[in-house]
Amino acid sequence: DAGITQSPRHKVTETGTPVTLRCHQTENHRYMYWYRQDPGHGLRLIHYSYGVKDTDKGEVSDGYSVSRSKTEDFLLTLESATSSQTSVYFCAISGYDRDTEAFFGQGTRLTVV
Amino acid sequence: AQKITQTQPGMFVQEKEAVTLDCTYDTSDPSYGLFWYKQPSSGEMIFLIYQGSYDQQNATEGRYSLNFQKARKSANLVISASQLGDSAMYFCAMSSPRRALTFGSGTRLQVQP
Repeated sequence: DAGITQSPRHKVTETGTPVTLRCHQTENHRYMYWYRQDPGHGLRLIHYSYGVKDTDKGEVSDGYSVSRSKTEDFLLTLESATSSQTSVYFCAISGYDRDTEAFFGQGTRLTVV
Repeated sequence: AQKITQTQPGMFVQEKEAVTLDCTYDTSDPSYGLFWYKQPSSGEMIFLIYQGSYDQQNATEGRYSLNFQKARKSANLVISASQLGDSAMYFCAMSSPRRALTFGSGTRLQVQP
């Protein structure tokens, strides 16, 4: 199995509080991604990174920020959580080649009350 | 921009029969990759199969094959000899020039004994 871990696995937080989710990899892969999964929408890209300090927005980036100060860590921050951000969040990593599969973390279930 | 469309929200198949899950895509990129992932009820994302846009032959991986029709922009997944353990959500995805995977909304497959 690819070395990718997400923390925490579950979190309940209150509206308006900041939340940070962590993705850690041991594969030295260049690309890292954050997706959210909601019923009927599949996985939607929030932000991704193609190198240390190199990040870009995905299709649902509003309300989220990311940071990547080391190859192995990619952090997703909800500056002020809202109920619409209740979701399952997946981190993924992939290598350089286009035909390299993306490996996924186990997901983080976030509930904003 | 690129888009993946999965038009079958749910499918039923009898055990030991073959089933085809549909996927169409849209992209302006001349080079791209197409993936299928399986998500069982436990939630993890499992890579099944990959097809490159320049590959001459359809990809196969055990009981999985990808029916790639480039002119029609379709990349259907065929599962032969369905098993009860194949019951899951199935996602079609496409890689982009910057390597972020774009996902379809998924198809829930239920295999009946």
